[in-house]
Amino acid sequence: EAQVTQNPRYLITVTGKKLTVTCSQNMNHEYMSWYRQDPGLGLRQIYYSMNVEVTDKGDVPEGYKVSRKEKRNFPLILESPSPNQTSLYFCASSQRATTDPTGGGNQPQHFGDGTRLSIL
Amino acid sequence: GESVGLHLPTLSVQEGDNSIINCAYSNSASDYFIWYKQESGKGPQFIIDIRSNMDKRQGQRVTVLLNKTVKHLSLQIAATQPGDSAVYFCAEKRLGFYFGTGTSLTVIP
Repeated sequence: EAQVTQNPRYLITVTGKKLTVTCSQNMNHEYMSWYRQDPGLGLRQIYYSMNVEVTDKGDVPEGYKVSRKEKRNFPLILESPSPNQTSLYFCASSQRATTDPTGGGNQPQHFGDGTRLSIL
Repeated sequence: GESVGLHLPTLSVQEGDNSIINCAYSNSASDYFIWYKQESGKGPQFIIDIRSNMDKRQGQRVTVLLNKTVKHLSLQIAATQPGDSAVYFCAEKRLGFYFGTGTSLTVIP
């Protein structure tokens, strides 16, 4: 089954304790992206990756890191989490990244089921 | 920044009726639009998309209409069913993808 898998689904942690949210897709997609979803704001892009070893900032990258060492995996790293990073996070992927520097091409993105992070 | 998706926050319809969910976008340079459905506890699920060179596109029970003159996008769901209850939001592609906040659709049995 084609899917985007995120882990963990839920996490409660404390300020300053490094955490990683993993994302894996089995569709051989080139483009992957991380979003956060907050009430009244919609999905906002954190980071995206056009292909292996190619990553770039989205609209709200502060406080986050990503890596893309393999095509299927795109982990989101919070080096020193803070309470304002409490949110619902989604990983997404799509095929056929274009030369568009910030887009994923005209292809719909497939989303994971989300990771709810609470930073105390 | 520019806003995307001026949605009504909620919409209630009777089972079997047609639903229309609207979305306004602000950037005439947007060239691709997507409608997503998000159920509680799940990620957004692709419903239908449309490119800017089209006015209408139909899927199974769903139709998307694009009016570039007034920068308006709508999603029509025919014969709405209880399983259609969810949050629906539009996304537009400019340089990246920008998402609206969504409309919560409730289907009354």
